[in-house]
Amino acid sequence: DAGVIQSPRHEVTEMGQEVTLRCKPISGHDYLFWYRQTMMRGLELLIYFNNNVPIDDSGMPEDRFSAKMPNASFSTLKIQPSEPRDSAVYFCASSRRGDRAYNEQFFGPGTRLTVL
Amino acid sequence: GQQLNQSPQSMFIQEGEDVSMNCTSSSIFNTWLWYKQDPGEGPVLLIALYKAGELTSNGRLTAQFGITRKDSFLNISASIPSDVGIYFCAGRIYSGAGSYQLTFGKGTKLSVIP
Repeated sequence: DAGVIQSPRHEVTEMGQEVTLRCKPISGHDYLFWYRQTMMRGLELLIYFNNNVPIDDSGMPEDRFSAKMPNASFSTLKIQPSEPRDSAVYFCASSRRGDRAYNEQFFGPGTRLTVL
Repeated sequence: GQQLNQSPQSMFIQEGEDVSMNCTSSSIFNTWLWYKQDPGEGPVLLIALYKAGELTSNGRLTAQFGITRKDSFLNISASIPSDVGIYFCAGRIYSGAGSYQLTFGKGTKLSVIP
């Protein structure tokens, strides 16, 4: 069974450009999470969805970041315009419904974003 | 936000040695989790703890949920080269409006010398 799929794996862009990261969660999972990982701040939750509905976006750094989940098998995280401080590894994760299942979040391989 | 203090930040050990790492917080958590991240991959859940005082094992890994609910530790016995990676603790908190989040520690980077 395929795990969480993220694309692209690497993205290098110039400051001011729009960046779109993509995620396909594990089939049948109800929750989808977007995380950002940096050396300084570690792993931070940006936003998560339950049944395609955004539940908590308090971790989204600013209005330049937006996330959508148009259906159960696809989500995007968009940064517009991008800035050098957005450089990080962005992870998508998904989990099944259920109080304890929520904790078992299956992570994708991540997208390493570099903004020049 | 909530802070999890994880220590040590890094450790170098000889193959076959036991390893211990811990995580503390000023806040109470109802759930403690331990994840491992291999280079170039996302974290993978190792152990989940749900009750204060709970001691849970997963192969050579053992983790405990502290009695005060403000700490947890992870032990690895008889380390092997594939134990190399970054180990993260995570606590689950209620962040309001029906929302729960996992807060992650900064990680312990483990290196195993063959």
